Amino acid sequence: DSGVTQTPKHLITATGQRVTLRCSPRSGDLSVYWYQQSLDQGLQFLIQYYNGEERAKGNILERFSAQQFPDLHSELNLSSLELGDSALYFCASSVRGREGLNEQFFGPGTRLTVL
Amino acid sequence: AQTVTQSQPEMSVQEAETVTLSCTYDTSESNYYLFWYKQPPSRQMILVIRQEAYKQQNATENRFSVNFQKAAKSFSLKISDSQLGDTAMYFCAFRNNAGNMLTFGGGTRLMVKP
Repeated sequence: DSGVTQTPKHLITATGQRVTLRCSPRSGDLSVYWYQQSLDQGLQFLIQYYNGEERAKGNILERFSAQQFPDLHSELNLSSLELGDSALYFCASSVRGREGLNEQFFGPGTRLTVL
Repeated sequence: AQTVTQSQPEMSVQEAETVTLSCTYDTSESNYYLFWYKQPPSRQMILVIRQEAYKQQNATENRFSVNFQKAAKSFSLKISDSQLGDTAMYFCAFRNNAGNMLTFGGGTRLMVKP
């Protein structure tokens, strides 16, 4: 158990809908990262937040957004869902935002299926 | 942009044998970090081993060790005394010193046979 929690574990929804994925980082970790794992694209970095502020952005679609709250949990919002958004979404956390080895610990993921 | 390549989509090894998974990367950075993650059927991403590029000594964690060749931009993972529980997808990942994101390779599916 990495200490990172994600809810829900599974999510099934229809095209055009909007969903919210939730992540709670390890106690004391200030940084949260979101990754998408799909058959087509492999594992891709989406976005990072550090202590409530957006720190880095990767291949995140405009239909997707994220935020990190004062209690450091984070939510990833996916809207106008398409079939191709079906994937495993991982949250990871680390103590710091940038410097040093800064190991990232991954949550169990949320499996999103868009029908 | 950095790229990470794992040229072996699938590999198999007999239990108790040794296997080496390959990884190459492309970067113009001089200081960076390399990782191997394991993803078993449960889909959990588990850190196996890590290497800091400025350290010449190869990292070792129990049965897992790496062969880090900085000039060749190569970072292979050796698993000794393979166990059935080592069956998983293995991902090589790169992180530069200035950024935060991990860039992953396409993965190698390892099957350990009894």
